[in-house]
Amino acid sequence: AQSVSQHNHHVILSEAASLELGCNYSYGGTVNLFWYVQYPGQHLQLLLKYFSGDPLVKGIKGFEAEFIKSKFSFNLRKPSVQWSDTAEYFCAVNARAGNNRKLIWGLGTSLAVNP
Amino acid sequence: DTGVSQDPRHKITKRGQNVTFRCDPISEHNRLYWYRQTLGQGPEFLTYFQNEAQLEKSRLLSDRFSAERPKGSFSTLEIQRTEQGDSAMYLCASSFGTGIATNEKLFFGSGTQLSVL
Repeated sequence: AQSVSQHNHHVILSEAASLELGCNYSYGGTVNLFWYVQYPGQHLQLLLKYFSGDPLVKGIKGFEAEFIKSKFSFNLRKPSVQWSDTAEYFCAVNARAGNNRKLIWGLGTSLAVNP
Repeated sequence: DTGVSQDPRHKITKRGQNVTFRCDPISEHNRLYWYRQTLGQGPEFLTYFQNEAQLEKSRLLSDRFSAERPKGSFSTLEIQRTEQGDSAMYLCASSFGTGIATNEKLFFGSGTQLSVL
């Protein structure tokens, strides 16, 4: 079955610490990969996405993610977090093309950054 | 604000009642999605429209659920004979996409929080 697994449900960091959130997927065929973020009281918004080309993608606010096809992974990283990065982070995947447009989502990782 | 708007923000209803939610997507977006999210879970896909055509519907969407997008602009999601298990955040998202590519960015609304008593 198609699935997305996020390794950490809750992460607590101090400001300036480095962040890596794990995401593994199980999905047949070629995929698009996404990280969405939900800041407290706000709607979901796209952080970054990968669909082809350079497997290291850069997103907004200094985030980046690396697609490792052999590991079915798409981990999110940031070298130095800020208090304003406190949010819920979701990894999602869908098929590269075709009629199946639904995104399969992970359970999310709640990140709390202490000032 | 020209983002995706959803109405109402909160809905409390008694079991067995019907409820309807509305979503107004970004005006130039041709694709519209409904998702459902419960606490501690990621969003679950419900249905998808391209313009006015409902092209995909999840098995999660029982016969009690119906969605429409009559003129290819706003959409409504109706739940008939609500059950306590329907309590969730109902999210609407829109995008502009062409062809068969599926990698477009989704723009989400703030959601409608449904509580069924």
